[in-house]
Amino acid sequence: GGIITQTPKFLIGQEGQKLTLKCQQNFNHDTMYWYRQDSGKGLRLIYYSITENDLQKGDLSEGYDASREKKSSFSLTVTSAQKNEMAVFLCASSIGTGGQNTLYFGAGTRLSVL
Amino acid sequence: GEKVEQHESTLSVREGDSAVINCTYTDTASSYFPWYKQEAGKSLHFVIDIRSNVDRKQSQRLIVLLDKKAKRFSLHITATQPEDSAIYFCAASKDNNAPRFGAGTKLSVKP
Repeated sequence: GGIITQTPKFLIGQEGQKLTLKCQQNFNHDTMYWYRQDSGKGLRLIYYSITENDLQKGDLSEGYDASREKKSSFSLTVTSAQKNEMAVFLCASSIGTGGQNTLYFGAGTRLSVL
Repeated sequence: GEKVEQHESTLSVREGDSAVINCTYTDTASSYFPWYKQEAGKSLHFVIDIRSNVDRKQSQRLIVLLDKKAKRFSLHITATQPEDSAIYFCAASKDNNAPRFGAGTKLSVKP
């Protein structure tokens, strides 16, 4: 088995601040994902990456940057935090490069912006 | 792009009854339809999936039905138990694309 580790678990930021969330997986999976979970809105895809140094924009990529410098890690940057923003950011990974495989999720990073 | 709509935001059933959660999708090219469960305070984990080459799949008490013509799929949980209480998410994807998720259905199983 493997594990996905997201850091930090909780992130409190200030309006306008640049914030970085990190994700590590030891499954040796090819594809990694970032989703944002808001209450009542489900999961919305921010970015995904099918291999090292690859980036694919999702439906909510504006306001975010991502980086996949190693196969095992995928980071997400909130470029300018919005006041009163509250959400959970979920990282996931899957074997292969297609969209037909099971996703394994991390525990999430809970963001609050003051 | 693909949009997945999950019709029930909440669902309450009595223990032992069946629960049905319905989803629709927009992209006719979508061919993989997984379901994930999120228990209170935890992250999502996979429960069952169905691919477009079949219209029914069962795993123990879970049944997934797929109607490609209507672009609709559903999760049936039979003989519900209290530990089935959770938020269930449906998703849809096509080759080489990341899954898109529905908004989630909060299922409560009451004793």
